[in-house]
Amino acid sequence: DGGITQSPKYLFRKEGQNVTLSCEQNLNHDAMYWYRQDPGQGLRLIYYSQIVNDFQKGDIAEGYSVSREKKESFPLTVTSAQKNPTAFYLCASSIEPYSNQPQHFGDGTRLSIL
Amino acid sequence: KNEVEQSPQNLTAQEGEFITINCSYSVGISALHWLQQHPGGGIVSLFMLSSGKKKHGRLIATINIQEKHSSLHITASHPRDSAVYICAVEGGATNKLIFGTGTLLAVQP
Repeated sequence: DGGITQSPKYLFRKEGQNVTLSCEQNLNHDAMYWYRQDPGQGLRLIYYSQIVNDFQKGDIAEGYSVSREKKESFPLTVTSAQKNPTAFYLCASSIEPYSNQPQHFGDGTRLSIL
Repeated sequence: KNEVEQSPQNLTAQEGEFITINCSYSVGISALHWLQQHPGGGIVSLFMLSSGKKKHGRLIATINIQEKHSSLHITASHPRDSAVYICAVEGGATNKLIFGTGTLLAVQP
């Protein structure tokens, strides 16, 4: 079955440490997105990519970095510069970026600080 | 003020009840999405609509573009419908998705 796979499901970070969240899709979608979800708030866009080797900052990109070397993969690195990284992170993809197409979501990664 | 407002924030219903969740938005949109998030965290897209009404099983979504309002209805609710329902609009200045904060629905047997 096609879909989006996020790993790990739970992740713990020590102070000053970078961590990378994995997102893989086998839907052959061009566009991929990373969102952050905090209690009581709507999902907020961190980064998105419309095509391989291209990505754009979203609303809350500070302290995060991404790469898009392959169409299937869009990993998110939470750097030590992100001072409040504890949140639920969701990866999504769509056939085309923001063209009235539904987005398909992964099951998320919950990141906590040790 | 948020660009996408949902009501109610929390809703408890008895099994079999008819449920309505509302979404109002303040920006111009090209499409509105209804999403379902289960306790494990994964999100499923339920509907995408830009006008009128869509139905899938016991779920019905309507949108009134002039009033900038959408509703999600669940008929004959069941405990397995318990989840967070999220409204998101595609539009505004950047044409990206703008999400509401969600409605937590609990259906009791």
